[in-house]
Amino acid sequence: GESVGLHLPTLSVQEGDNSIINCAYSNSASDYFIWYKQESGKGPQFIIDIRSNMDKRQGQRVTVLLNKTVKHLSLQIAATQPGDSAVYFCAEEPRSNSNSGYALNFGKGTSLLVTP
Amino acid sequence: EPEVTQTPSHQVTQMGQEVILRCVPISNHLYFYWYRQILGQKVEFLVSFYNNEISEKSEIFDDQFSVERPDGSNFTLKIRSTKLEDSAMYFCASSGQGRNQPQHFGDGTRLSIL
Repeated sequence: GESVGLHLPTLSVQEGDNSIINCAYSNSASDYFIWYKQESGKGPQFIIDIRSNMDKRQGQRVTVLLNKTVKHLSLQIAATQPGDSAVYFCAEEPRSNSNSGYALNFGKGTSLLVTP
Repeated sequence: EPEVTQTPSHQVTQMGQEVILRCVPISNHLYFYWYRQILGQKVEFLVSFYNNEISEKSEIFDDQFSVERPDGSNFTLKIRSTKLEDSAMYFCASSGQGRNQPQHFGDGTRLSIL
């Protein structure tokens, strides 16, 4: 079946460096993508989203890039801080004719470790 | 900032017993969801709920599961007869009107079946 997956299960970066977390998706029917951050003992926390009619979106210290040609999504974190240490998930929302509920399909997650 | 709240944070139950997990979604949201996450694995969709009825459910959401919005603020997940493999984190989420709206998650209930 089609799925969302991540290239790297763990990523270790030094404080102050930029981080890039990648995600490959295979469902060409997906038109909305979200990055979530999950800290230990917490639920997924919304970071940033992007619709399929865009290829880049920027937030505070974060940028999401979408390449529909190769079905690739990335999250860039600028000047990574110790508080950024967490598991990061990408999630996709398949395009649907329904207006009554939108199941997200999550990837397996990448653990980001920021070292001083 | 409004948030989704879930209770209890941890539920320990004997196999075969019924459990009810509770959620208070963000007040102006109209779409409600349950997801689960088995330890070390990805988050999996269970069910979505809109306009007082289930709108979509996954294969995981079998006849042992049910959801209810008993009043204007609570959203519950009931597991009628728990099994060992139901042990997981259960997350409630809610989103605003329409498509392409971010789902906001609670901090989950850890369900442990003995």
